[in-house]
Amino acid sequence: SQQGEEDPQALSIQEGENATMNCSYKTSINNLQWYRQNSGRGLVHLILIRSNEREKHSGRLRVTLDTSKKSSSLLITASRAADTASYFCAPRSNDYKLSFGAGTTVTVRA
Amino acid sequence: DTGVSQDPRHKITKRGQNVTFRCDPISEHNRLYWYRQTLGQGPEFLTYFQNEAQLEKSRLLSDRFSAERPKGSFSTLEIQRTEQGDSAMYLCASSPLGGGTYEQYFGPGTRLTVT
Repeated sequence: SQQGEEDPQALSIQEGENATMNCSYKTSINNLQWYRQNSGRGLVHLILIRSNEREKHSGRLRVTLDTSKKSSSLLITASRAADTASYFCAPRSNDYKLSFGAGTTVTVRA
Repeated sequence: DTGVSQDPRHKITKRGQNVTFRCDPISEHNRLYWYRQTLGQGPEFLTYFQNEAQLEKSRLLSDRFSAERPKGSFSTLEIQRTEQGDSAMYLCASSPLGGGTYEQYFGPGTRLTVT
């Protein structure tokens, strides 16, 4: 399996602003998933995008996938304090284990 | 709440002692995973079960680590002769078999501190 690498390592934004983070990976994938981890709720699945999809939305989240560049981005719109967390991408080329990078730590300031 | 549960949530032990953690997956999930997470890093895969069969073990899982999933329900992860380097958060996750989605549902984790 392969590991996603998230960029930037850390991001600080004002409440109401948008936050964008990127993920790069090395080999072909079946799908790519984004997870969020904060101290209160542990690691939670946010969204899955398949290799034949280019964009997907879920509430205030927008994920894009560019398989030619082997990259994905996660956009959080109109950020809230509750969005303060670490975000991890997990590119999947098989159907079981996940391989996470070090994540992007997002801090939303009031 | 019928999510993944883990017990204990916190464990402090002295170096050289054995510890055992338990994970109860979502009841209809066939697949169960163990991950380890250290500070500032993402979770690292340790091992994976499909029903009661342990199908893969990471190289991270030394001979001091053993995991079981008797009867394909709950799972235990045992660490023998703990070392300070074993201090980490141990996460359990489960997922359904097959289907169109492959998301994993994580438990709250067991934080191990080896003194």
